[in-house]
Amino acid sequence: EPEVTQTPSHQVTQMGQEVILRCVPISNHLYFYWYRQILGQKVEFLVSFYNNEISEKSEIFDDQFSVERPDGSNFTLKIRSTKLEDSAMYFCASRGEAGVGGELFFGEGSRLTVL
Amino acid sequence: SQQGEEDPQALSIQEGENATMNCSYKTSINNLQWYRQNSGRGLVHLILIRSNEREKHSGRLRVTLDTSKKSSSLLITASRAADTASYFCATSTTNDYKLSFGAGTTVTVRA
Repeated sequence: EPEVTQTPSHQVTQMGQEVILRCVPISNHLYFYWYRQILGQKVEFLVSFYNNEISEKSEIFDDQFSVERPDGSNFTLKIRSTKLEDSAMYFCASRGEAGVGGELFFGEGSRLTVL
Repeated sequence: SQQGEEDPQALSIQEGENATMNCSYKTSINNLQWYRQNSGRGLVHLILIRSNEREKHSGRLRVTLDTSKKSSSLLITASRAADTASYFCATSTTNDYKLSFGAGTTVTVRA
């Protein structure tokens, strides 16, 4: 069964360092997302990406964050200068259905620890 | 905020019992979905109910939707230890390509 894969599964970094989290969405999917979940808390929307551009972003997704789909398969989230509060589980998701509100397929997540 | 809010926050039941959790949301929706998350893992889609549907079944899962009360419930019948997980509702509006998640209900099924 096709799945969304994410790397790394866990990354530890020093505050102020740049981090890139990588995702390979399901191959024929059209919409791509990043969500994050601080330990034990709700799943928060960061950004959605469609047709090679950001379609929506949340207040959390400030200038320190960027996304890219460089080669038609990978979908990356970059955090330019990490802060302690960026420590969280980051989930990539993709969706194949056109239009609004279909099922999302999530990866297993990348745990980011900022020291 | 569009986000759903689940109730209760946590639920502990004996294997074989039913588990019911509720979700309330604030604005009109296109559909409502339920997801499951095992500890430290990704979210897995369970069931989707559209705004014009009132009830839906999938195996041991039963979902209801009351758009007049802006609420949904998820019932897991004959629970098993393997049902131990967090359950999240998620909503999308007619203009939304994203899902907005609630805080989740943590269900523990005791063997």
